[in-house]
Amino acid sequence: DAGVIQSPRHEVTEMGQEVTLRCKPISGHNSLFWYRQTMMRGLELLIYFNNNVPIDDSGMPEDRFSAKMPNASFSTLKIQPSEPRDSAVYFCASSLIGQPGNTIYFGEGSWLTVV
Amino acid sequence: DQQVKQNSPSLSVQEGRISILNCDYTNSMFDYFLWYKKYPAEGPTFLISISSIKDKNEDGRFTVFLNKSAKHLSLHIVPSQPGDSAVYFCAASRGSNYKLTFGKGTLLTVNP
Repeated sequence: DAGVIQSPRHEVTEMGQEVTLRCKPISGHNSLFWYRQTMMRGLELLIYFNNNVPIDDSGMPEDRFSAKMPNASFSTLKIQPSEPRDSAVYFCASSLIGQPGNTIYFGEGSWLTVV
Repeated sequence: DQQVKQNSPSLSVQEGRISILNCDYTNSMFDYFLWYKKYPAEGPTFLISISSIKDKNEDGRFTVFLNKSAKHLSLHIVPSQPGDSAVYFCAASRGSNYKLTFGKGTLLTVNP
């Protein structure tokens, strides 16, 4: 079974450039999450979609960040303009909410470096 | 305000011995707890979970203990193997709430 698929795996970009991270959740899952991992703050939830609808974006750092989920099999996280402090690993995860427990399944992450 | 805390950034144990990873939480509304394991350059993978109605859950070499009065949980790995070397994240959620709050992780190194 294919897991959560993220692209690109690695991205190096210059400050001020637009960055788009992509995610394909596990087929059949109804919820999608974007997390960010940094040394200082650990794993933080940025935004959560349920049935393609954004439910909670309180973790999105600021207006430079936006996320979309146009259909059940695709989501993007966009940073425009990017800044060096955005350098982190961005994880996409998916889950089937309603099943026992809250197990979510992570992709391998997108490593972003903004110089 | 960190609601889930893993106070030990790292832990080193010998192969065959017990590894004990600890986690504390402050939010008394949390009622479901999970442990995730993360290898370098990979995403976290689910390891084991426990509901607040239980105080112990066991899966093979892995056992999670929950002490609700102390707001503390621990993950025991017995016997530890070199392949267990990874970062372990504790996470907590509230009811059917989707939102998992993670600790910052503990790097476990199992020495042959």
